[in-house]
Amino acid sequence: GQQVMQIPQYQHVQEGEDFTTYCNSSTTLSNIQWYKQRPGGHPVFLIQLVKSGEVKKQKRLTFQFGEAKKNSSLHITATQTTDVGTYFCAVNNNDMRFGAGTRLTVKP
Amino acid sequence: GAGVSQSPRYKVAKRGQDVALRCDPISGHVSLFWYQQALGQGPEFLTYFQNEAQLDKSGLPSDRFFAERPEGSVSTLKIQRTQQEDSAVYLCASSPTSGSFNEQFFGPGTRLTVL
Repeated sequence: GQQVMQIPQYQHVQEGEDFTTYCNSSTTLSNIQWYKQRPGGHPVFLIQLVKSGEVKKQKRLTFQFGEAKKNSSLHITATQTTDVGTYFCAVNNNDMRFGAGTRLTVKP
Repeated sequence: GAGVSQSPRYKVAKRGQDVALRCDPISGHVSLFWYQQALGQGPEFLTYFQNEAQLDKSGLPSDRFFAERPEGSVSTLKIQRTQQEDSAVYLCASSPTSGSFNEQFFGPGTRLTVL
C-alpha cells in the first residue's frame, strides 16, 4: 500500500508559537485526511483534502494539499495548550495508511 | 448520539491464550475498520468490512488474527494463541459510507497486554 512519511516526529513549542507538520508521499494521492489524537485518547477526524492545491482553514488550523497531490501540511497558528496531541495524516486505497504522527507538546 | 464503543477497554492475557475484542459501531454505519496501534506509532490497518462482507484483510499480521461482522453491525476481532508482540491498542472505526474515503469515527480502543 501507499506509504506516507510524516515530519517532524516531535515538536515542542512555547505557547503562542506556530507549529507545522508535513506529510509526504512518493506517489500521487487521491485524497488525504488529518486526525488528532490526544494523549490517552483515540484519533479524531479533523479534515479531508481532495483537490490539488486545496487550502482549508479551521480557526487557527490551516490545511494544505500540494499541487502535485503528493504532500500535505497542517499549520497551527499561535498554539495553545489545548493543541497538545499527536497529529496524523492518513491516505487511503480502500485500506487506510497512517503516517507515524507528529507529537506536539506546548509549554505554557 | 452514541459513538463507537469497544469492549473490554483493557485486557491482560497470558501468552498462548485466545482473546476476543468487540466493537459496536455507530448504528447504520456501513464501513468498519480495525487497526492496531503500538505505543508511539500510528494506527496500522488490519481489516475492513463493508456491511457483513470482509473486503480487505491484508493487514492481519498472521493467521492467528480473525475478524468477523456476521450481521453487518457488531464486529469481533479474535486473536488466537496470543504472543507478546500482540500487545497494543486495538482500535475500531466506522464510517457511514462504503470505502475509507470519508471521515472515520474511532472507538476508545482496547488495550491488550500479553504477559
